[in-house]
Amino acid sequence: DAGVTQSPTHLIKTRGQQVTLRCSPKSGHDTVSWYQQALGQGPQFIFQYYEEEERQRGNFPDRFSGHQFPNYSSELNVNALLLGDSALYLCASSPQGVTDTQYFGPGTRLTVL
Amino acid sequence: AQRVTQPEKLLSVFKGAPVELKCNYSYSGSPELFWYVQYSRQRLQLLLRHISRESIKGFTADLNKGETSFHLKKPFAQEEDSAMYYCALPQTGANNLFFGTGTRLTVIP
Repeated sequence: DAGVTQSPTHLIKTRGQQVTLRCSPKSGHDTVSWYQQALGQGPQFIFQYYEEEERQRGNFPDRFSGHQFPNYSSELNVNALLLGDSALYLCASSPQGVTDTQYFGPGTRLTVL
Repeated sequence: AQRVTQPEKLLSVFKGAPVELKCNYSYSGSPELFWYVQYSRQRLQLLLRHISRESIKGFTADLNKGETSFHLKKPFAQEEDSAMYYCALPQTGANNLFFGTGTRLTVIP
């Protein structure tokens, strides 16, 4: 089991563009959470998906949206990119309702120019 | 409102010296606290959780409800302990995590 995988590893975009990040959860996990980690900060919760629905959401604008597929993989979409969206985006998977076994992916480094 | 405070961004200790990484929290109710670690070029991973009361890689952390602290301790630091450490607790009423800003620990040979 490769654990949580994310693609791409790095991404460079310009302001105003749109981006899609992808995540495959660890085998046996059905819940996917997305976090944004700005430089020098801890990860900040964006949203969580379970049963193909957004179940919880952090304090992020509607420009941030997501999707979960029947195979539990997930996408994070960010529209109208701002310079401040530059960060490491982490995906974490877990069995539903089990916080302490969140497994993190390696992250996608997004740079907005 | 819940909050996790890690007052030290950077901490350097010599190999063999004791190390303590501080974490203070505010939370309504009984918190469940975690320490996550990120070694160089590796992903974020769970180090330990207070509910299990176990020692991982020689690290321990005791929940002090009176002082609202969950400091991470190790009696003798090793070079391989150099990493970024994050204290975390569950978001109120949810099962996602709320992280502190992290402490970068450097163990000097």
